[in-house]
Amino acid sequence: AQSVTQLGSHVSVSEGALVLLRCNYSSSVPPYLFWYVQYPNQGLQLLLKYTSAATLVKGINGFEAEFKKSETSFHLTKPSAHMSDAAEYFCAVSGQAGTALIFGKGTTLSVSS
Amino acid sequence: DVKVTQSSRYLVKRTGEKVFLECVQDMDHENMFWYRQDPGLGLRLIYFSYDVKMKEKGDIPEGYSVSREKKERFSLILESASTNQTSMYLCASWDRRTDTQYFGPGTRLTVL
Repeated sequence: AQSVTQLGSHVSVSEGALVLLRCNYSSSVPPYLFWYVQYPNQGLQLLLKYTSAATLVKGINGFEAEFKKSETSFHLTKPSAHMSDAAEYFCAVSGQAGTALIFGKGTTLSVSS
Repeated sequence: DVKVTQSSRYLVKRTGEKVFLECVQDMDHENMFWYRQDPGLGLRLIYFSYDVKMKEKGDIPEGYSVSREKKERFSLILESASTNQTSMYLCASWDRRTDTQYFGPGTRLTVL
């Protein structure tokens, strides 16, 4: 069985500051891991995914995430926040390609000027 | 570009009504999913389908049914809507080539 824990339901940063959104997972099989972003009143957009290739994954909009098996973590980072990054972010896991995703409860990112 | 469309962005229904939420994808994807999104709970799987006429229950199927008569269309049905089904409903389809689930824009359903 898989599960995801996102630490912090709300994260606030200043424009230009480092963004760090935390995700820990539990999986009985090698996981597929994803980060999605949701802007207000929109569906989810894939930011990046880990599927057992490189442990450091680069995504869209300058985001990246590092898979750390020993820590069962897949934290999302961005070196410098922009106002446009304000959104809700979801970490998700699946145990097999094509199967349903198990989502964390989401982290709302606020960016102040 | 992968396109997943949902029939309505906003919907208001009365308690007891039968409600149909439609999802269409144009990329010949086999696997399609219906999720429900509630504040503080993230997304939870209602049903999924891996082929025409094939369906599997997810984590919260009670009060819902689904229909997949054609590959491109996956419908979610609320047989008798209740106020606790007020929520955002998101449809997704899985692209085998990129191993990615693509989401529609969502339907925000309010049951009065």
